Amino acid sequence: NAGVTQTPKFQVLKTGQSMTLQCAQDMNHEYMSWYRQDPGMGLRLIHYSVGAGITDQGEVPNGYNVSRSTTEDFPLRLLSAAPSQTSVYFCASSRQGREHREQYFGPGTRLTVT
Amino acid sequence: DQQVKQNSPSLSVQEGRISILNCDYTNSMFDYFLWYKKYPAEGPTFLISISSIKDKNEDGRFTVFLNKSAKHLSLHIVPSQPGDSAVYFCAASARSSYKLIFGSGTRLLVRP
Repeated sequence: NAGVTQTPKFQVLKTGQSMTLQCAQDMNHEYMSWYRQDPGMGLRLIHYSVGAGITDQGEVPNGYNVSRSTTEDFPLRLLSAAPSQTSVYFCASSRQGREHREQYFGPGTRLTVT
Repeated sequence: DQQVKQNSPSLSVQEGRISILNCDYTNSMFDYFLWYKKYPAEGPTFLISISSIKDKNEDGRFTVFLNKSAKHLSLHIVPSQPGDSAVYFCAASARSSYKLIFGSGTRLLVRP
């Protein structure tokens, strides 16, 4: 199993550009989520999904869109990039079930918006 | 308002000694707590968890203690090894939710 994979690893955007961060998992996990990590702030939840076709907002959803058309993929879209979106982005997945709330993280995408 | 707090940004310990990382939370609805370890340029990796029905959970050199009345948990690493040097994140989840709320992390340095 590859686990959770993310592409690209690094990206530089200009303000106003759009892009999609890709995330895929091969563990047949129902739950997937996106976090951003900023210095001194830990990881903050952007959006999450409990299954194909179902998404919801996390703590910091503004400026980001998601969709979940398959169990495996959960892309994160930045419609109009802003310097405040410079961050490291992590995708994570987990099984359903209250006793299984451990999430497995991808290696991250480092995004810089100039 | 931070619901999960890690008040020590860094900790340095000697190899072979105990490392104690602390975490406080404010939301009484949290019923599941996790610790993650993160190396530079990698994603966080799950380390150990504890349910609110327990007050202790052990896994090898790692033990997590939960004090519900104080809304406090701690991670003990014994003995500490240089390879344990990383950033450790505490996270919490409320019942009926899969959302994880993370603390800001503690950077552990284990000196040889």
